[in-house]
Amino acid sequence: AQSVTQPDIHITVSEGASLELRCNYSYGATPYLFWYVQSPGQGLQLLLKYFSGDTLVQGIKGFEAEFKRSQSSFNLRKPSVHWSDAAEYFCAVGGMNRDDKIIFGKGTRLHILP
Amino acid sequence: ETGVTQSPTHLIKTRGQQVTLRCSSQSGHNTVSWYQQALGQGPQFIFQYYREEENGRGNFPPRFSGLQFPNYSSELNVNALELDDSALYLCASSLSTSGGYNEQFFGPGTRLTVL
Repeated sequence: AQSVTQPDIHITVSEGASLELRCNYSYGATPYLFWYVQSPGQGLQLLLKYFSGDTLVQGIKGFEAEFKRSQSSFNLRKPSVHWSDAAEYFCAVGGMNRDDKIIFGKGTRLHILP
Repeated sequence: ETGVTQSPTHLIKTRGQQVTLRCSSQSGHNTVSWYQQALGQGPQFIFQYYREEENGRGNFPPRFSGLQFPNYSSELNVNALELDDSALYLCASSLSTSGGYNEQFFGPGTRLTVL
């Protein structure tokens, strides 16, 4: 079955500290992998995506993610968080065909301490 | 700003009623997808429309239906509303070409409350 697991519902880090959000997926074919961010009252914004090639993907706002096929993981990282990074983060997986749906994880809410 | 708009922003309905939610895609985008995001959950795929035809559906009953129009607008209709239909409804537009994945651009959503 296709699924995405984000094991951490909430994470709290201090401003300036490093961040890692975990994501594990299950997908029968070669997946496309995504990280989205959702601020209160906002839609989803794509942070980064992985299709193929280099397993370390750079995204917007200083985020990066590493695809590890052997671990079925796609963890999101940022070396130094800012207060404006407080939001909900969703990992998602999709297929290569146009009609393949995107499957989202349940999300991780990131809290930033001043 | 993604250029995708949704209306209304908020909506309150009672159980058994019908509701229509609207989405305006980015100009030129031929594909729109709808998602339901319940409180504390990730978005769940409802269905997708490509060139005005349904092009994939998630695990939602037939009382969830949609339309896509040539002017880049689309609708999500829900009949016989149930309390569990209370959620944020997101639409996402994309330009689908012959192969591969095309980025979906999400609107801000419509918050539906069913009493």
